[in-house]
Amino acid sequence: KNQVEQSPQSLIILEGKNCTLQCNYTVSPFSNLRWYKQDTGRGPVSLTIMTFSENTKSNGRYTATLDADTKQSSLHITASQLSDSASYICVVPGSQGNLIFGKGTKLSVKP
Amino acid sequence: EPEVTQTPSHQVTQMGQEVILRCVPISNHLYFYWYRQILGQKVEFLVSFYNNEISEKSEIFDDQFSVERPDGSNFTLKIRSTKLEDSAMYFCASSRRLAGGRDTQYFGPGTRLTVL
Repeated sequence: KNQVEQSPQSLIILEGKNCTLQCNYTVSPFSNLRWYKQDTGRGPVSLTIMTFSENTKSNGRYTATLDADTKQSSLHITASQLSDSASYICVVPGSQGNLIFGKGTKLSVKP
Repeated sequence: EPEVTQTPSHQVTQMGQEVILRCVPISNHLYFYWYRQILGQKVEFLVSFYNNEISEKSEIFDDQFSVERPDGSNFTLKIRSTKLEDSAMYFCASSRRLAGGRDTQYFGPGTRLTVL
């Protein structure tokens, strides 16, 4: 069954600290993996899209990694800011073009 | 920057009533989607729409649901007879090409549907 699993479920860090969020997927065939940021009560916003040939991709303070062999991805946030508080969702397209979402990691950045 | 818009932002309805959720996708996009997110749960795919017809739909998208692109700009989701369990945030999204490719899907801000 196509699934996307994320850990941890929630995370609290202090402002300025780094953190890493994990994603494991079993979607097949695999074309790409996306990380989205979702603020409370808002729609998801794309952070990165990674294909199987890309190991690392950065977008400002966000760095995503992908290991297509182990079917794992991570999102590293550097020098966290209060505005980083949100849910971070790992998403993998299904075979019919729909997107399969993980449950997300809820990140809280405290001052 | 162009964005997907949705109306209304919040809809309250009685069980059994029909609701229509409206979306205006980004103008040069060709693929349109509806997703829902029950409070505290993950986003779930409902339906994709291309070339004026449904491309794919999930198990959730039963006969109570329908989608339409009545004109060149709007994309609507109709729930014929709402149930309590339809209470959720409904997101519309659009992309230039099929989301399985590298194209980004752009999401609207969502409509919160509350069924009483």
